[in-house]
Amino acid sequence: DAGVIQSPRHEVTEMGQEVTLRCKPISGHDYLFWYRQTMMRGLELLIYFNNNVPIDDSGMPEDRFSAKMPNASFSTLKIQPSEPRDSAVYFCASQGGYFGNTIYFGEGSWLTVV
Amino acid sequence: GNSVTQMEGPVTLSEEAFLTINCTYTATGYPSLFWYVQYPGEGLQLLLKATKADDKGSNKGFEATYRKETTSFHLEKGSVQVSDSAVYFCALTVSGAGSYQLTFGKGTKLSVIP
Repeated sequence: DAGVIQSPRHEVTEMGQEVTLRCKPISGHDYLFWYRQTMMRGLELLIYFNNNVPIDDSGMPEDRFSAKMPNASFSTLKIQPSEPRDSAVYFCASQGGYFGNTIYFGEGSWLTVV
Repeated sequence: GNSVTQMEGPVTLSEEAFLTINCTYTATGYPSLFWYVQYPGEGLQLLLKATKADDKGSNKGFEATYRKETTSFHLEKGSVQVSDSAVYFCALTVSGAGSYQLTFGKGTKLSVIP
């Protein structure tokens, strides 16, 4: 199993530019999560999907952030326009279904906005 | 709501020392409990888990026991190695209305010196 795959691994972009982060969950998993990690705030859940449908997006910080899951094997997190305070590591994770099952994380997308 | 409190780091130990990282939680329902580990530059990996009271999770020499009476899930290892240097996260999940999100503690950084 290839695990959760994220791209890009590292991105440096200028303030105001659009950033798109991509995620391929583990095949067969029906939950997908986007987390953000910073030194100041630790790990924060941004949004999660069940069967491609967004269930809870209350963690999305602002309207500049949007996430989609057009099919079971792909999700995007978009920031438009980006700001320096968006610099963080963004993790995608997926889970296979019943309560208590393990959530598997990707290796993260390390975003720097200058 | 749900919350996880774990001891502040960083923790620095000599090789072969005994490790304890404290974790306590509050939860609105009956949680499952997890320890995740994050090695430098990598994503989070599940280290161990316990899904009901008095269960003991174990992996790679690490152990943690689900203590409902003290709402705790402390991580222990009898003899740490340099390769155990990482950030350790305590987490919980509680079922309810189809919500399977994780609540994380802020993480404890462990450094093991030879």
